[in-house]
Amino acid sequence: EVQLVESGGGVAQPGGSLRLSCAASGFKFDDYAMHWVRQLPGKGLEWVSLITRDGGITHYADSVKGRFAISRDNSKSSLYLQMNSLRTEDSAFYYCAKGNQWLTDWWGQGTLVTVSS
Amino acid sequence: EIVLTQSPGTLSLSPGERATLSCRASQSVGNNYLAWYQQKAGQAPRLFISGASSRATGIPDRFSGSGSGTDFTLTISRLEPEDFAVYYCQQYATAPLTFGGGTKVEIK
Repeated sequence: EVQLVESGGGVAQPGGSLRLSCAASGFKFDDYAMHWVRQLPGKGLEWVSLITRDGGITHYADSVKGRFAISRDNSKSSLYLQMNSLRTEDSAFYYCAKGNQWLTDWWGQGTLVTVSS
Repeated sequence: EIVLTQSPGTLSLSPGERATLSCRASQSVGNNYLAWYQQKAGQAPRLFISGASSRATGIPDRFSGSGSGTDFTLTISRLEPEDFAVYYCQQYATAPLTFGGGTKVEIK
């Protein structure tokens, strides 16, 4: 069974940094693109970033471009999101999602990021 | 960026009724790469439909997707109690990938 478990969420100050991790199991990790998607509590979904299966291509939402960096370690079946220069509007649940090409076909349960002074 | 507009924002229906959810794109969605997700409170979204009309594994056939280009529809033929939730459309044809604002299907 596919499992995606996010970690690394918490409280950060504006301008600070956090690194999110996603541990994947139940599928051949290096065969699939991976995504991060976020959701403000009680609000809609916002796609954040994707990375191809070999890590060679990445894409970002304009709202995070230049501040966030997605990466992966296929040897550890892990996905990461380095978040720098955090803003209050980055506060959200962050979901890791398995990609079938660019389609997100399986999601983790999310980790909460709160940016507050 | 492709903007997706979902309507209505809220749909109030009774079990057994038919639900019709709309998703309109600001420009044509290439290859009809349009997906629908269901999200229940406190849970992660779950993929229901991809490619505008293909049901994901395990999704009952009362759910159907249709449409092409800029206009897409998710239809639930007869609402079951477990179908009351929020539904999001998403285009995955062009980066940045984008979601609609969601339609909440609530019990009348």
